[in-house]
Formats: sequence, C-alpha cells, structure tokens
Amino acid sequence: DVKVTQSSRYLVKRTGEKVFLECVQDMDHENMFWYRQDPGLGLRLIYFSYDVKMKEKGDIPEGYSVSREKKERFSLILESASTNQTSMYLCASSLNREWSNQPQHFGDGTRLSIL
Amino acid sequence: QKEVEQDPGPLSVPEGAIVSLNCTYSNSAFQYFMWYRQYSRKGPELLMYTYSSGNKEDGRFTAQVDKSSKYISLFIRDSQPSDSATYLCAMSAWNYGQNFVFGPGTRLSVLP
Repeated sequence: DVKVTQSSRYLVKRTGEKVFLECVQDMDHENMFWYRQDPGLGLRLIYFSYDVKMKEKGDIPEGYSVSREKKERFSLILESASTNQTSMYLCASSLNREWSNQPQHFGDGTRLSIL
Repeated sequence: QKEVEQDPGPLSVPEGAIVSLNCTYSNSAFQYFMWYRQYSRKGPELLMYTYSSGNKEDGRFTAQVDKSSKYISLFIRDSQPSDSATYLCAMSAWNYGQNFVFGPGTRLSVLP
C-alpha cells in the first residue's frame, strides 16, 4: 500500500511566521501534490511536482512556495503566514508522468491554524 | 458555473439502505473519474477509479458514469455505519496531465 506521511497532524502558528509543512511518500512516486481543503470549496491545488527540483503552480499558489530536494519528500512553505491560510493541508502522490490522469494517494492532512 | 458540483448533504440513511451519491460536471472532455472516501480528521482514501462511460463494481460499491448527461454516481449497497464519511468525486481530462478537479464532497451518515 502507498504510504503518504505528513509530519504534523495539527499545527498552530502566528501571523507573519514562516511555516514548513513536510510530506514523505514511500512508494517511489514521481508526482507529488499539495492541496488545501476548506468547507464548501473542496480540494484546491496549491503546487505540484513531477520530479526532483521541479515545481509547477496550481490554482492557488499565492503566499506559498514548495521545495523538492529528494524524490520522496515534498515541502510546502508559507512564507509569511496569514489568518486566511488557516486550513486543512493535504499532500498526495501518484506514480509517474508517463501515464496521464493516474489516481492520487493522500496523507492524513495537517490542520493548520494561524492566530 | 463550477466545473464539478456535488450536493454537500448531510445525507442520513438507515443501516442496510442503498445509497446513491452523485456529481455533475460541465467539461465534456472529462473521461477519468474517481471516488474518494474521507473519514473525519483523515485524508481521502481512493475507492473507485473509472475511465470513460459505464459501470464498475467493487464489493458493495458501484461507480456509474453517464457522459451524455455529464453525471457520475456512486452506489453503496447494504450500507453500514462504518460507511459514514464524506465522499468526494474527482475527474480529469487527457490534457489535464496529472491533475484532477475535485467536488466539495457529500457527507453521509448511516444510522444503526
């Protein structure tokens, strides 16, 4: 089974702080994704990556950046946290970019509160 | 109009009932469809993955795609209290690469 692990289940930070969310997958997947999930809005894609040191903007990248230094690890960075970034953050991975539209496997999420 | 629409519920049914969960979409190019189950305080778990039209069955779950109506359904037979969760649909087209568009989810409660 695919295992996607997010380092923190719950996190509380203050406005203006730099926040790091970490995600690790153990199935040698090439593709990794960061989403946020808000009530009534569903999952919205922040950033994704098809390879090490490669990143692509999703639908809502403003205020976020990412880092992928190793294949198994994908980090989401909130450069200067704001209260409107309070949300559930979900990391996902899928196999590779040779086939399109492959199913994604999710971690259990990090519930982030910005005070 | 949103690309993918889903009734948020909550939907409450008695144990043993047949449950029908639905999504409508606007992009006729969608041809890859997924259903996820998400328990409270957990991440989405992949239930079904289908391509194009038709039905796919897995145990008590059946996924149905009607591309002419731009409508997909997930049926749960003999529903159990353990099926109580939020169900998300997701879909994609050939030119979306690895990306999917997700519905907001339907919250289901199966009452014992």
